[in-house]
Amino acid sequence: EAGVTQFPSHSVIEKGQTVTLRCDPISGHDNLYWYRRVMGKEIKFLLHFVKESKQDESGMPNNRFLAERTGGTYSTLKVQPAELEDSGVYFCASSQEPIWEGLYSPLHFGNGTRLTVT
Amino acid sequence: AQSVTQPDIHITVSEGASLELRCNYSYGATPYLFWYVQSPGQGLQLLLKYFSGDTLVQGIKGFEAEFKRSQSSFNLRKPSVHWSDAAEYFCAVAKGFQKLVFGTGTRLLVSP
Repeated sequence: EAGVTQFPSHSVIEKGQTVTLRCDPISGHDNLYWYRRVMGKEIKFLLHFVKESKQDESGMPNNRFLAERTGGTYSTLKVQPAELEDSGVYFCASSQEPIWEGLYSPLHFGNGTRLTVT
Repeated sequence: AQSVTQPDIHITVSEGASLELRCNYSYGATPYLFWYVQSPGQGLQLLLKYFSGDTLVQGIKGFEAEFKRSQSSFNLRKPSVHWSDAAEYFCAVAKGFQKLVFGTGTRLLVSP
């Protein structure tokens, strides 16, 4: 089966510009998560979709970040306007069920998008 | 609030030597604990997990981890490191049912 796909793999933009990251989860996975790792820090949860609905967006830093998952398939994460502190690696992950429900449903991560804001 | 501490930012181990990566967690109830590895250019891969039961859990690639409630620790071990184990390792605890709280990671370097 194809894994979680993210693109672009790298993006370099100037402060004030807009960037859109895309994530294609594993086919059939209803649960989709976005995480972010700022340089040298921990990987932090951003939000969780169940199909097209936002289940938990408590980790979104501010209203410059907008995540969508139209049709419950792929997801986009838009940063507008980008700031220097938005630089980092953005990971997407998907699972068939939530982290666990009865039997553990593995969380599959993509390779991440490295965003650099200059 | 849940948190995870990985006190070692970098560790260098000789190939063939044993490895132990430290992880301490803060969590009020029974924790669900994970170790992930990120090799260069790759995504995060699950090495092993602890939910309940036997406190010594076996994972992939010859790794194991031991849950010690009294020490709030979940250290990762491998008896003999291979050069291909060079990567970054992340310990995580599940917060609620829907998300993971990660540590800052430990970068493992393997010397010949």
